[in-house]
Order: sequence, then structure tokens, then C-alpha cells
Amino acid sequence: GAVVSQHPSWVICKSGTSVKIECRSLDFQATTMFWYRQFPKQSLMLMATSNEGSKATYEQGVEKDKFLINHASLTLSTLTVTSAHPEDSSFYICSPDTQYFGPGTRLTVL
Amino acid sequence: QQQVKQSPQSLIVQKGGISIINCAYENTAFDYFPWYQQFPGKGPALLIAIRPDVSEKKEGRFTISFNKSAKQFSLHIMDSQPGDSATYFCAASNGGGGADGLTFGKGTHLIIQP
Repeated sequence: GAVVSQHPSWVICKSGTSVKIECRSLDFQATTMFWYRQFPKQSLMLMATSNEGSKATYEQGVEKDKFLINHASLTLSTLTVTSAHPEDSSFYICSPDTQYFGPGTRLTVL
Repeated sequence: QQQVKQSPQSLIVQKGGISIINCAYENTAFDYFPWYQQFPGKGPALLIAIRPDVSEKKEGRFTISFNKSAKQFSLHIMDSQPGDSATYFCAASNGGGGADGLTFGKGTHLIIQP
């Protein structure tokens, strides 16, 4: 099956800085990429859906100017958390398809 | 997103027993119902999925039962093993399982006692 990788697997940053998370789909043409967020001991919540070459669609309550998504190619999508704050600390997971999920990126904002 | 309700929140089963997790949904437009297994610090992994045109699907020790009229579906894990200890999520989507994102249940923390 398809392999989805994320980089970094974990990151710690200071409040106010920006963090970029990369999601690569190997052996899979990801025309669509779903980004989820999972707070500790909670469920996954869909943040946004991106389509290759076009703007992402954000779920209600997710700030599009804070969570910048770029899906420039069929194998790479990036999520940039801008001006991160402690409440953004979470586990971010990408998924090109309901069958495949990335291993996740743990973000901790101090 | 429409809600998917999952129960129980936690479950303890003896080794060799049957683990049963239930979910209910509201949105009748949902047409794809997968179950995922997640270990701590890892992304979820697809276990098994069903579409509303069938009432049951079995893959190995995992079975999904689907009741369209009641808008409920459940996961049965037969001969549960300690390695099955994990968090399980049900989910639902419309769009054939590919076009739309997933709405997840809140998860069930399953512990299999040896």
C-alpha cells in the first residue's frame, strides 16, 4: 500500500514562531490531502482539505491565515502553523485518502 | 461536520474474548464507514470499512455489523489478543470514501488482559 511520511515527527518551538510540517505521499498520486488535528486523548478533527494546485478548504473554526496549506505537487503537501501559541500544541496528521494516514507530527509550543 | 457517537469510551476484555465497540451517526448522506486502530504516538491505521449496501463485513478477526435503519454500526474483534490493546476510532464520510474528509467518533481505549 501507499506510504505517507511526515517531517518532522516532532517539533518544539517558542510561542510566536512559525512551524512547517511536510507530508509526502510515496507511490500515491495525492490529488487531495486532508489535514487532521488530534489533541491529547481526543479524537481526530478535520482541519482542512487541499487539492493539488488550488487553495485549501478549511473547516469551520479553523483559521486559514494561521494554518497555511500548500499542495504544490501530487506528492507533497505542507502545513505551516504561523505565529504558533501553546494552544496550537497538538498532533497533526495528513491523509491523502481514507486508507492512508501519515505517522503524525507532534507540535509543542512553549 | 455531523457527529458520530462512539461507545464505550474504554473497554477491558479478557484474552480470547470478543471486543465490541458501537457507533451511531446522524447524517444519512454518509456512505462510507471505516474503523481505525491507533497506537500512542502513531497515525491511525485502517482496519476494515463498510458501505451501506451490506449489513456485515468480515476480515480475519474483525467484523463490522451495519444497521442502516438504526444508523448504527459496530466493530467486533474476535479472539482478542493483548496486541489488540489500542485506541479504536469509528468514522464516517460521504463522497464515496475519497472525496470528503472523515468525521471521527471520540474513540475507545481497548485493553486486552492476558
